[in-house]
Amino acid sequence: AQKVTQAQTEISVVEKEDVTLDCVYETRDTTYYLFWYKQPPSGELVFLIRRNSFDEQNEISGRYSWNFQKSTSSFNFTITASQVVDSAVYFCALISNGPGRRALTFGSGTRLQVQP
Amino acid sequence: DGGITQSPKYLFRKEGQNVTLSCEQNLNHDAMYWYRQDPGQGLRLIYYSQIVNDFQKGDIAEGYSVSREKKESFPLTVTSAQKNPTAFYLCASSIGLAQSSYNEQFFGPGTRLTVL
Repeated sequence: AQKVTQAQTEISVVEKEDVTLDCVYETRDTTYYLFWYKQPPSGELVFLIRRNSFDEQNEISGRYSWNFQKSTSSFNFTITASQVVDSAVYFCALISNGPGRRALTFGSGTRLQVQP
Repeated sequence: DGGITQSPKYLFRKEGQNVTLSCEQNLNHDAMYWYRQDPGQGLRLIYYSQIVNDFQKGDIAEGYSVSREKKESFPLTVTSAQKNPTAFYLCASSIGLAQSSYNEQFFGPGTRLTVL
């Protein structure tokens, strides 16, 4: 079985603060993929990043960075110098490459509020 | 423009009525998915389809039905048997598990269903 846990239900920061969103996952498969999606108030999910289980390199894209650690089964997401436009719900998701895989398993999401 | 469209954006239903949510994609994707999102929760898989004329139940299929007669269309019917249908419904599509191991999903804008 697969499971994704986002323990932080809601985070509130002031603009320009750095913020880290936590994601912990469970899977028995050795090959899997992890994702982060952003859901702005409009509701549509926006793809942010995909990472496969064999690539533990951290990734940086502008103000966004991701820290993947297999040893702790975590795939955390950091926003540097947060902006009001970053306010959204962020979802971590997982799909494994084992038999019976169907679709993404999502965490419950973290609501980020960035105050001006 | 390539993408996924869902209609209507808002839908109101009386108790005991069946309603059908539309989902269309022009991305030439083989796989399509329906998710349900409740306030403060993550996405839960209702049904998915990997190919035309075939579909599988997800985690919460009871009270829902789907069809996949065309590659670009995957309508979802919320039947009167669904006990608590008020929710936000998201449709997604992907290349397909046969062609892609990581199965990045693209999402539509969603339909908000309210039962009166």
